[in-house]
Amino acid sequence: AQSVAQPEDQVNVAEGNPLTVKCTYSVSGNPYLFWYVQYPNRGLQFLLKYITGDNLVKGSYGFEAEFNKSQTSFHLKKPSALVSDSALYFCAGGFQKLVFGTGTRLLVSP
Amino acid sequence: EAGVTQFPSHSVIEKGQTVTLRCDPISGHDNLYWYRRVMGKEIKFLLHFVKESKQDESGMPNNRFLAERTGGTYSTLKVQPAELEDSGVYFCASSQRLAGGLSYEQYFGPGTRLTVT
Repeated sequence: AQSVAQPEDQVNVAEGNPLTVKCTYSVSGNPYLFWYVQYPNRGLQFLLKYITGDNLVKGSYGFEAEFNKSQTSFHLKKPSALVSDSALYFCAGGFQKLVFGTGTRLLVSP
Repeated sequence: EAGVTQFPSHSVIEKGQTVTLRCDPISGHDNLYWYRRVMGKEIKFLLHFVKESKQDESGMPNNRFLAERTGGTYSTLKVQPAELEDSGVYFCASSQRLAGGLSYEQYFGPGTRLTVT
């Protein structure tokens, strides 16, 4: 069975500091991994994906994620956080039937 | 390009009533998916259409849920009769069908918040 875990319910970071939102996965075969963001009263917005290739994946809004096969992780990162990055972030895995983590709320303080 | 749209945005119904949710995918996307998030829990897959055919309905919770995609365009998800535990946010997503049957990122609609009282 495939699973995705987000160990942190909430991450707090000051504006301008780097941020990391953690995700670990457990899949059989090649992992297809995604990050989505949900702003209040909005749907899920696609940020980035890992299918194959470079372990460092760059996505929208300056976000990137690092695929680490040995640690089965796919952490979301951004070098310098903005207050507007405050939202709910979901890690997901799967080919077509996506399996989601429970979500991590990111709060960026001014 | 218009995104995935869902209607209504919010529905409040009484236990035992029927509700129908609608999803319009991105034009040209053969794949259409339904997911739901019950309060405080993870987003869970319900089913997947390829055009008008149900590819995978393994996530449908029971036979009170009926999904259709006549003509391979928009889709409806009917809950009849609704129960209290059906409350949550129902998301629709669509994706392109690439060569070899592959498809990658799914684009989500804003969701329908269903409240059963």
